[in-house]
Formats: sequence, C-alpha cells, structure tokens
Amino acid sequence: DTVLTQSPALAVSPGERVTISCRASESVSTGMHWYQQKPGQQPKLLIYGASNLESGVPARFSGSGSGTDFTLTIDPVEADDTATYFCQQSWNDPTFGAGTKLELK
Amino acid sequence: EVQLVETGGGLVQPGRSLKLSCVASGFTFNNYWMSWTRQAPGKGLEWVASITNSGGSTYYPDSVKGRFTISRDNAQNTLYLQMNSLRSEDTATYYCTRDGRVGYYWYFDFWGPGTMVTVSS
Repeated sequence: DTVLTQSPALAVSPGERVTISCRASESVSTGMHWYQQKPGQQPKLLIYGASNLESGVPARFSGSGSGTDFTLTIDPVEADDTATYFCQQSWNDPTFGAGTKLELK
Repeated sequence: EVQLVETGGGLVQPGRSLKLSCVASGFTFNNYWMSWTRQAPGKGLEWVASITNSGGSTYYPDSVKGRFTISRDNAQNTLYLQMNSLRSEDTATYYCTRDGRVGYYWYFDFWGPGTMVTVSS
C-alpha cells in the first residue's frame, strides 16, 4: 500500500497563510486529492488531481505538488477553516493520510 | 442537489452480519462508480469497497476482501454493503461516496453523512 504521511496538527491565526503537507511513500504522479472534515461532519472534497479546485470551493484553497510531495495551501485562513484535512492518493488502490488538524489561534 | 443517505448501521456481535444501504438522489446514479469508506472513532479514513457504474466489477482492500460485498440496484438508485464475519476492528462510521474518475484520478466527490457500525459482544 502507498503510505501517506501528514503532520498531525497546526495552529495559525486568521488572515495568515497556512501550508499542509502530505508525503507519499512512492510516486503517485499527480494522483493526489484533498478533503476537509469539520467535527461531526462527513469529509468534503477540496482539490483533485493535486491542483484542481473542486467546484464551489473558495479560491483561498489551492494545491500543488507531484511525485511524492504535495501541499494544500489556505490563504488567507478564516475561522471557518478549523477542521481536519486529509490527503488521498489514487495511483494505486485509494489510501488516505492520517489527517492534519488545523486550529485557529 | 446530490444527496446520499446511508442506513442500516447499529450494534452487532462479532462474527455476525450486517447490510448497509445508501439511497442516492440528485444525479444520474448509473453514470457513476460508487464506494464505501469508513472511519473508526477518532481515526482516519479507510477505503472499503468500490463498484463500477454497471455493477459489473467490484474492488476491495485486503482488510475486507472475502468478508464484505458491495452491490448496487440502479433501478432503485441504491448502493449496498453486505458485511459478514464482522470483527471489532470493523467498528466505524461507514460513508457512502460518489466517485470521480478522470484517467488515474480516483477521488470521492460527494459523501453521505454516514452510518455507525459497532461490533461488540
């Protein structure tokens, strides 16, 4: 299985720029996708294919990367962005990262 | 508006069976692959099963292969997950998802609210 590694938690202030990283154990080309999960809710797709913004998602969210290193950027961060962010690869059978919990100061 | 609504969760003893259902609306169901993904309490996400739009092919990770069966009824816009020989490690919220597929991009673009399955004696 392709293992995805994410940093466990981040804390930022509203208005700042935050980058959330995801590293794959092998190359997944651009087959990386990002989800936002707020407490008590189901996940929501933000980015697919490493950098493609899902319809309806604010342009404050962006994605980049290829191969093994990927980044989700939120700029500027808003209070409503408090959530856990998961990456998922699709080069092989789908696997997810453990998630990065974003807290606002 | 796309809607996915799961039902069928509950408390079940180890070794027993349970069948989940997911009713879809707001899109042409038979045009899309569909999947189940689960999340153990306080944990991350795990892909569980997928089925092609026609129902002709199914896919599973090793953790559930041989125990879980995904199926669909396109006339009823309904997705199913038959879970047999349940184990405590199957305890999770089970989400029904609509799949997005573009080349080797395989992602989950809509998720239901989930149904909780607890495996315990």
